[in-house]
Amino acid sequence: QQQVKQSPQSLIVQKGGISIINCAYENTAFDYFPWYQQFPGKGPALLIAIRPDVSEKKEGRFTISFNKSAKQFSLHIMDSQPGDSATYFCAASANTGGFKTIFGAGTRLFVKA
Amino acid sequence: GAVVSQHPSRVICKSGTSVKIECRSLDFQATTMFWYRQFPKQSLMLMATSNEGSKATYEQGVEKDKFLINHASLTLSTLTVTSAHPEDSSFYICSATRGWQETQYFGPGTRLLVL
Repeated sequence: QQQVKQSPQSLIVQKGGISIINCAYENTAFDYFPWYQQFPGKGPALLIAIRPDVSEKKEGRFTISFNKSAKQFSLHIMDSQPGDSATYFCAASANTGGFKTIFGAGTRLFVKA
Repeated sequence: GAVVSQHPSRVICKSGTSVKIECRSLDFQATTMFWYRQFPKQSLMLMATSNEGSKATYEQGVEKDKFLINHASLTLSTLTVTSAHPEDSSFYICSATRGWQETQYFGPGTRLLVL
């Protein structure tokens, strides 16, 4: 019940295309859903985050779509660029005092030039 | 704002020695700090959660005596890998939260290689 399932494991997209990464969760207590971007040999960096009271959040080329009833959320990267090539982690946390965050397994994105 | 640093970025040590890794929040006071371990091409594995001035809470399967965590101030937490062995070689990453916000800000990680 604490898991966050992420797919696909890896993704290859042409430059200018749309990259889509999906995540699903079980625990309805989760109320904060961030996405992190990680480059090789670096720590993860927060990309964008959403709460369950909204269905979509957009920041530049990055959009989170959130489906509360289905307990699913996804990251869309519009106009994907080679510089977006990285590993992306979805995550979920609950405001239960401690904010332990559960991470998905990660998606390795490669954007072909 | 919300910058987290780690030191060292890389460390190579001999088996049996201890290694200390520092995690600092540079421009904010960290309510909570987390320590993760990451194996190649895998996700982040939470090792422990620490709050300033109190004992760290370790995840199941993480040896407290092996991985000593000290959270001496609101801007500094340290992870000491005691009597390191080759199987402890990994990428160790810390993160910190600011105030009572959920967002975790990650450090750049420390690559540990035990020979």
